[in-house]
Amino acid sequence: ETGVTQTPRHLVMGMTNKKSLKCEQHLGHNAMYWYKQSAKKPLELMFVYSLEERVENNSVPSRFSPECPNSSHLFLHLHTLQPEDSALYLCASSQGGGGGDTQYFGPGTRLTVL
Amino acid sequence: GNSVTQMEGPVTLSEEAFLTINCTYTATGYPSLFWYVQYPGEGLQLLLKATKADDKGSNKGFEATYRKETTSFHLEKGSVQVSDSAVYFCALSGLVGSGGGADGLTFGKGTHLIIQP
Repeated sequence: ETGVTQTPRHLVMGMTNKKSLKCEQHLGHNAMYWYKQSAKKPLELMFVYSLEERVENNSVPSRFSPECPNSSHLFLHLHTLQPEDSALYLCASSQGGGGGDTQYFGPGTRLTVL
Repeated sequence: GNSVTQMEGPVTLSEEAFLTINCTYTATGYPSLFWYVQYPGEGLQLLLKATKADDKGSNKGFEATYRKETTSFHLEKGSVQVSDSAVYFCALSGLVGSGGGADGLTFGKGTHLIIQP
């Protein structure tokens, strides 16, 4: 399999549930990202990992907890979410090191919080 | 901080029409600039990029030129097709974290383009 994959593609959860989103990249990249795409807001950067270290946490509530166990995998652990957290969550990867390198996106997980 | 402004649309054109989607930005330093495209039900795909002033990015008949003096990166295509219908995002890159090591993208709100046969 090539590129950036995300599972599940769709997720419905209640506010008291705990779930995890998974992202895997097959591009040999060193940086991975989580973005949130809501209906009425621009795409928002949530977290950035470079060489498995978190280098950016963009004021995201603690009910979102990222994990990067190695340079190919990225998780987003979710617990006690709110209905306003319903959105498309996109994972991306890039070579890393700054310099404006291209980010490659997965297809996203469509999350609905009831 | 960094920001990107683009026309939101929807923009509706007839097939073979000329397309311009405006994008302007505010940034510190010299960011790279990107256009991404999102087809229904899919993630974002890179359409084109430019990494320094006066660079022109091009792909699939689309073009955009990095204009530092006007802080713009307008997307153009001479003759659009129905298959170009999608949402187009302008974005810029900026170093994140204290030690760099990765870029974060700042996006505009996206322009929904509809091409009618």
